[in-house]
Amino acid sequence: AQSVTQLGSHVSVSEGALVLLRCNYSSSVPPYLFWYVQYPNQGLQLLLKYTTGATLVKGINGFEAEFKKSETSFHLTKPSAHMSDAAEYFCAVSDLRDDKIIFGKGTRLHILP
Amino acid sequence: EAGVTQSPTHLIKTRGQQATLRCSPISGHTSVYWYQQALGLGLQFLLWYDEGEERNRGNFPPRFSGRQFPNYSSELNVNALELEDSALYLCASGAGGTYNEQFFGPGTRLTVL
Repeated sequence: AQSVTQLGSHVSVSEGALVLLRCNYSSSVPPYLFWYVQYPNQGLQLLLKYTTGATLVKGINGFEAEFKKSETSFHLTKPSAHMSDAAEYFCAVSDLRDDKIIFGKGTRLHILP
Repeated sequence: EAGVTQSPTHLIKTRGQQATLRCSPISGHTSVYWYQQALGLGLQFLLWYDEGEERNRGNFPPRFSGRQFPNYSSELNVNALELEDSALYLCASGAGGTYNEQFFGPGTRLTVL
């Protein structure tokens, strides 16, 4: 069965600094990978997803993620953090064998002024 | 276009009672997914309905059940409530298939006293 590990339940970065949120997955078949964001008191919103093709995926709000099969990773990055990026971020994985998406436990991103 | 709606926003019950949560998907979506978001545990997959049928369920006891109506709206029922059922319950809708984006509602906050 597939699983997702997000390193760091809380990450703090200064405004304007690089954002790096780590995600490692476990799946024995090619996975589908997702990053979702949850702003306070709201549901989740899709940031980006990888299904097939180009391993560098660009999403909304300047975020991108790179699928690295050899490292079983799908880390989320943004070159310059903005105060509005403060939220909780969830990495998720699914594959065709199993009809469900598995979410990581989330990383809360704090932006320091 | 209206998003996913959930009702009620908040629900307070006592241990042993039953709770019913409702979800209306985005127009045109046939799949509804239910998740439990408990503090510190991330999102746990509960149930997936598509075209009126239960397609998959997560690792939850049978007292968590639901259904999907002909108009694709869905109901989640939790019987014999326990204190640890206190959580945010999120509903998402999609076009079916775990490789497609899921659109989330704002959630129902269930508190069991």
